[in-house]
Amino acid sequence: DTAVSQTPKYLVTQMGNDKSIKCEQNLGHDTMYWYKQDSKKFLKIMFSYNNKELIINETVPNRFSPKSPDKAHLNLHINSLELGDSAVYFCASSQPPTVDFGQGTRLTVV
Amino acid sequence: DAKTTQPNSMESNEEEPVHLPCNHSTISGTDYIHWYRQLPSQGPEYVIHGLTSNVNNRMASLAIAEDRKSSTLILHRATLRDAAVYYCILRVLHGSSNTGKLIFGQGTTLQVKP
Repeated sequence: DTAVSQTPKYLVTQMGNDKSIKCEQNLGHDTMYWYKQDSKKFLKIMFSYNNKELIINETVPNRFSPKSPDKAHLNLHINSLELGDSAVYFCASSQPPTVDFGQGTRLTVV
Repeated sequence: DAKTTQPNSMESNEEEPVHLPCNHSTISGTDYIHWYRQLPSQGPEYVIHGLTSNVNNRMASLAIAEDRKSSTLILHRATLRDAAVYYCILRVLHGSSNTGKLIFGQGTTLQVKP
């Protein structure tokens, strides 16, 4: 069974649309994250939740809204998509000190 | 945010050891040094981590300088499956909680030649 699973794996959408990416972990971890990897392969943290509570918000535009219905899930909703949002988004979970990443969702905005 | 500096790329021959260097001159006392690797079209994968002492596990060894301003990831015998981007990362604690965040650098692309 996949430890951290994201859906969908690929997402192609038009500018201005609203989309969501779902993430689930079956590791029993308390902390979950969203990371963004841009075209230059830089990985940057966006958000972190600990037991459904927002802990880290790295000055991400408020078009991005994470939602954690329970500690096993952390979904990412993006409003009014822009071309610059095209990237690979990774969900991750952690029981310190290590972090387990999902396989990523490649978002392409056209 | 604390940053790391790595060579953009390195090459190795199969079955030979590989030493991947990393500089982190702005590291603070509570920052852990982590190494992750990313194979094509996959998420980053944990390799090893340490604070002050050298560390060994089944995947690799981590040598940390005495002043902690640099470290080296050692793959003892490179295989073709080790070809990946290797990230040297500082895990920075957030506030007073134990929640940490990984600050990724640009990584080193390792090519392994048969």
